[in-house]
Amino acid sequence: GEDVEQSLFLSVREGDSSVINCTYTDSSSTYLYWYKQEPGAGLQLLTYIFSNMDMKQDQRLTVLLNKKDKHLSLRIADTQTGDSAIYFCAEMNTGFQKLVFGTGTRLLVSP
Amino acid sequence: KAGVTQTPRYLIKTRGQQVTLSCSPISGHRSVSWYQQTPGQGLQFLFEYFSETQRNKGNFPGRFSGRQFSNSRSEMNVSTLELGDSALYLCASSLGRRGGANTEAFFGQGTRLTVV
Repeated sequence: GEDVEQSLFLSVREGDSSVINCTYTDSSSTYLYWYKQEPGAGLQLLTYIFSNMDMKQDQRLTVLLNKKDKHLSLRIADTQTGDSAIYFCAEMNTGFQKLVFGTGTRLLVSP
Repeated sequence: KAGVTQTPRYLIKTRGQQVTLSCSPISGHRSVSWYQQTPGQGLQFLFEYFSETQRNKGNFPGRFSGRQFSNSRSEMNVSTLELGDSALYLCASSLGRRGGANTEAFFGQGTRLTVV
């Protein structure tokens, strides 16, 4: 079945690294995504990773994928107060064009 | 390039009424998906349209329906509104094909529906 789990809350200090974790159950997931949602806004696509990759880096963002354990993480380097938001991981099986979202992790960055 | 546009941004409706929400995708995108976001259930998939055909549907009652026009714009309709339909409704557009960037889904700002 499809189920995506995330921890609910993460608090870090400005300048530290943040690591947001996600686990999923659908072994047929082909792509995994990270989205950011700020208050009152829609979802902003941050990055994605194909299931045959282990890592993807995009500026301050690093995505790690452990396919064996079905574990995905998003590392934000040099976290800024503007990074405070809710972060969602999502999986997709391209046969279905449907995103299954996690519960979201609220990241709070303090000065 | 313009992003995904959803109208209206806010709506207040009464129980039993019906509502239509609109979504204009990014130019060139042929896939439009709809999601419901509530505090209790999180983000849930409603349906996806590609070239005017519904390709996939989530587990929502028949009161929720949608359509897509030849210009890829999409509408979502909810009939006989219930209090539990109060939510943020998000639409996403993508190229809708297999492989890499073709699967990237870009979301609009959403329509906040309140049913009283």
